[in-house]
Amino acid sequence: DIQMTQSPSSLSASVGDRVTITCRASQGIADSLAWYQQKEGTAPKLLLYGASRLESGVPSRFSGSGSGTDYTLTISSLQPEDFATYYCQQYYSTPRITFGQGTRLEIK
Amino acid sequence: QVQLVESGGGVVQPGRSLRLSCAASGFTFSPYGMHWVRQAPGKGLEWVALISYDGSKKYYGDSVKGRFTISRDNSNKTLHLRMNSLRVEDTAVYYCAKDPGRGVAGSRYYFDYWGQGTLVTVSS
Repeated sequence: DIQMTQSPSSLSASVGDRVTITCRASQGIADSLAWYQQKEGTAPKLLLYGASRLESGVPSRFSGSGSGTDYTLTISSLQPEDFATYYCQQYYSTPRITFGQGTRLEIK
Repeated sequence: QVQLVESGGGVVQPGRSLRLSCAASGFTFSPYGMHWVRQAPGKGLEWVALISYDGSKKYYGDSVKGRFTISRDNSNKTLHLRMNSLRVEDTAVYYCAKDPGRGVAGSRYYFDYWGQGTLVTVSS
């Protein structure tokens, strides 16, 4: 299976900060990457797919980039509602879908 | 709007069985592949199973293969997960999730809508 490693595992930031979360795949995944946001006690929510395609209704402060094995999620200006856990997920090696371990974004 | 509502979770002893259901509404159910994804308490996400739009193709994660069975009833817009030979490590919140891929073009293998989840606790 393709291993997905997110960094950092946790992150403290302030409202208005620019934040970047990294996801590294154990082999190339050709942009077959999705990002999800999960708030405590709720289901995950799709933010981006195809590494950089914003899901409908998701604010434009969220963006994704990368290629090959290395991908990033960037939040350009943190809002109070953005404090959550973020997961990447590869769908290159189907049906053996795998997730990163998550990055917890906390208020500084 | 799209709604996915899971049910059937609960406390069950190791080795026993449980059947989860997911009722879909707010969209045309039959063209879309559907998944189950689980999350152990305090842990990350783990993909469990996928069923194609017409039920002809089913795929499972290694940890549940041979014990769990995914099925669907398109006439009633319902997804199911039959879980046999349950283990303590199957304890998790189980989410049903919709795949954005339609029909014969195939599933996309990511998830654009999720249910609220149902908790399964396997304990003696």
